[in-house]
Amino acid sequence: DVKVTQSSRYLVKRTGEKVFLECVQDMDHENMFWYRQDPGLGLRLIYFSYDVKMKEKGDIPEGYSVSREKKERFSLILESASTNQTSMYLCASIPLGGPTDTQYFGPGTRLTVL
Amino acid sequence: AQSVAQPEDQVNVAEGNPLTVKCTYSVSGNPYLFWYVQYPNRGLQFLLKYITGDNLVKGSYGFEAEFNKSQTSFHLKKPSALVSDSALYFCAVRSVSGYSTLTFGKGTMLLVSP
Repeated sequence: DVKVTQSSRYLVKRTGEKVFLECVQDMDHENMFWYRQDPGLGLRLIYFSYDVKMKEKGDIPEGYSVSREKKERFSLILESASTNQTSMYLCASIPLGGPTDTQYFGPGTRLTVL
Repeated sequence: AQSVAQPEDQVNVAEGNPLTVKCTYSVSGNPYLFWYVQYPNRGLQFLLKYITGDNLVKGSYGFEAEFNKSQTSFHLKKPSALVSDSALYFCAVRSVSGYSTLTFGKGTMLLVSP
């Protein structure tokens, strides 16, 4: 079974703090994704990566950055957290095989910025 | 640009009755369509997908979905609902070309009453 893990289930940070969200997958997948989930808005893609050290902006990259130094790990960084970044953050991965493959999701990190 | 619409924020159904969760999509070319389910405080779990072939797709937990190209719809169905089916359901579309990014609908909450 594919396993995607996220470093924290719940996180509380203060405005202006630098926040790191970590995601690790154990199936040697090339593609990894970060989404945020908000009520009434569904899932929105923040960033994705199709290879080590490669990244592409998604639909809502503002205020975020990412890092992919190793194939299995994809980090989301909030350089200076703001209250409007309070959300559920979901990581996903998929092999390079093609668009018919299924994305596998982690359990999510619920971030609260005070 | 591709998009997904889930016209119902919530669907209520009694246990044992059939259920339908609606989804329509817009994409250039042939679509790849997915349904995911999210239980409270959990990540997304894959239910089923349509790639090509038979318009009726069968998935996990007794769910199925019908692809209708002329109506650009991909409705999720189950002949007999269970209370344990109560969850948030997301429809998603991926285009044939480009990166393997998914575009999600806003989600539909399914509530099954005993």
